Amino acid sequence: AQTVTQSQPEMSVQEAETVTLSCTYDTSESDYYLFWYKQPPSRQMILVIRQEAYKQQNATENRFSVNFQKAAKSFSLKISDSQLGDAAMYFCAYLIPLGGATNKLIFGTGTLLAVQP
Amino acid sequence: DGGITQSPKYLFRKEGQNVTLSCEQNLNHDAMYWYRQDPGQGLRLIYYSQIVNDFQKGDIAEGYSVSREKKESFPLTVTSAQKNPTAFYLCASSEGTGTPISYGYTFGSGTRLTVV
Repeated sequence: AQTVTQSQPEMSVQEAETVTLSCTYDTSESDYYLFWYKQPPSRQMILVIRQEAYKQQNATENRFSVNFQKAAKSFSLKISDSQLGDAAMYFCAYLIPLGGATNKLIFGTGTLLAVQP
Repeated sequence: DGGITQSPKYLFRKEGQNVTLSCEQNLNHDAMYWYRQDPGQGLRLIYYSQIVNDFQKGDIAEGYSVSREKKESFPLTVTSAQKNPTAFYLCASSEGTGTPISYGYTFGSGTRLTVV
């Protein structure tokens, strides 16, 4: 069964510092996609970054980067120069096809990130 | 701007009542989804739809029903058979056949349902 595990329910970081959120997943597929979503207090789900499993290069988006270790099935998110606006719940997710035009995002349980001024 | 609109933002249901949550998208996406979010459990798939007049059960479909009469609309009905409906409900959409599936979903802003 495909599962996504986020072992850190809560994390805290000082403003301007760097923090890493952990995520592991379980799959037998060789080609798949991984995502990090951010959910601020507004509850809107916002895509932070995505990674294609067939790409060895780690994805980066401005201050956000991932450390994708395919063999270890690990997909951690690094936030550099943390800002107060980064405070949110972060979800790691794995995309699997359901057939036809649809696919399914399997989510981890989330990590609540607090940013201290 | 394209996006997904969910309404209402807050909804209160009495015991034994059915309620319908609205989800409308103007992204021209083929696939639409309903997820339920509970504290400490992440998001779980309720129903999904690939095309008009077609939909499939997700992981926790019991007590819910959907329809897909128009490409833009995918309403979710929470029936009285759903024993624990208090939760946050998120609607999402994604591009369909012939386009990359790698971009994940676009989400609505959600509906908070509370049983009173």
